Amino acid sequence: NAGVTQTPKFQVLKTGQSMTLQCAQDMNHEYMSWYRQDPGMGLRLIHYSVGAGITDQGEVPNGYNVSRSTTEDFPLRLLSAAPSQTSVYFCASSYKRQGQPQHFGDGTRLSIL
Amino acid sequence: RKEVEQDPGPFNVPEGATVAFNCTYSNSASQSFFWYRQDCRKEPKLLMSVYSSGNEDGRFTAQLNRASQYISLLIRDSKLSDSATYLCVVNTLTDKLIFGTGTRLQVFP
Repeated sequence: NAGVTQTPKFQVLKTGQSMTLQCAQDMNHEYMSWYRQDPGMGLRLIHYSVGAGITDQGEVPNGYNVSRSTTEDFPLRLLSAAPSQTSVYFCASSYKRQGQPQHFGDGTRLSIL
Repeated sequence: RKEVEQDPGPFNVPEGATVAFNCTYSNSASQSFFWYRQDCRKEPKLLMSVYSSGNEDGRFTAQLNRASQYISLLIRDSKLSDSATYLCVVNTLTDKLIFGTGTRLQVFP
């Protein structure tokens, strides 16, 4: 079972560059979300989606965009990378609501120079 | 006050020991509680949900104390493979999950 698949696993960017982190799930989950994890801090919600065509902001949305054109895919776009966005990014999904247990992808380690 | 607070540890225990972690939460209206496990440089994985009456899964027991607003995780007969960071997770009124920063457990031979 693939579950939640994230690509790439590692990425190094220069300040000002843009890129898209990919996330796909094959469990037919309606709810998908993006988190970032930084040392000494819990996972923080960036953006989430309750279904295809519907997205909303989480706790730390600035500098990121998302879209949800299909149930399976939920890409995260960094518009103009900044060193403060150096982090580990996790995509997660759950069947109906965020309040249900989340299935996580194995993460993207992103460094901004 | 943080919405979810955990002792970061590390808790260093020998194999076979019993260890317990607590986690406090600030929102008395929270309804869903979970413990996740995260291995170094890996994704969080659900360990167990926490039910009002308490629940057990093998060597792991989770308890909820609504009056004092904390949840606990008890691990009996610790194994080397239990070494990880344990994340306390609580939902909010708007059904968002808030993750604690985690408690690190190191089990030694």
